[in-house]
Amino acid sequence: RKEVEQDPGPFNVPEGATVAFNCTYSNSASQSFFWYRQDCRKEPKLLMSVYSSGNEDGRFTAQLNRASQYISLLIRDSKLSDSATYLCVVKVGAAGNKLTFGGGTRVLVKP
Amino acid sequence: GAVVSQHPSWVICKSGTSVKIECRSLDFQATTMFWYRQFPKQSLMLMATSNEGSKATYEQGVEKDKFLINHASLTLSTLTVTSAHPEDSSFYICSASPDTYEQYFGPGTRLTVT
Repeated sequence: RKEVEQDPGPFNVPEGATVAFNCTYSNSASQSFFWYRQDCRKEPKLLMSVYSSGNEDGRFTAQLNRASQYISLLIRDSKLSDSATYLCVVKVGAAGNKLTFGGGTRVLVKP
Repeated sequence: GAVVSQHPSWVICKSGTSVKIECRSLDFQATTMFWYRQFPKQSLMLMATSNEGSKATYEQGVEKDKFLINHASLTLSTLTVTSAHPEDSSFYICSASPDTYEQYFGPGTRLTVT
């Protein structure tokens, strides 16, 4: 079983619509959680950290469910520029700052 | 701030040759640098973690004699792919960390071995 699993998609989303997807992690000792965005042939870029109480950054909302060991990302009012692969990233506290990446969920926003 | 550069951004080499990739933190000191590899349509896989002045720690399945890592200063780490083969063709990405929390990624190096 992979440490961090994601639905690879693609999620085809009409412009202006809402899309949400999850990520599950297997290590219950995981302490920090992030969503990164990666465009084709580019490096990943931090989108947002995920906090226990859930957090929002503009049109993006992240949730953490420790009991079920998953995190989610919701994108409201999707823009064409939101088309990218979204990587779920987990850090296990005891391992310093080593990050474990999920396989990514591809989102395609279409006009 | 927190800029990480990689050089070269892309390289084509012949099978059997060695290729060196540089990762530099431009405006901060990186106590730790990480090297990742990403094959097409797959996620980033951590290859090794390096701390300045000490030997790199390699992930399981990564050959340390094939992927030589040197972290000689707080702003520079190098990855040398020795005796490259076509299956080593991949996107190599480094990240640099000034502490135990943040990681800043370089733009990546696309390696093609012919």
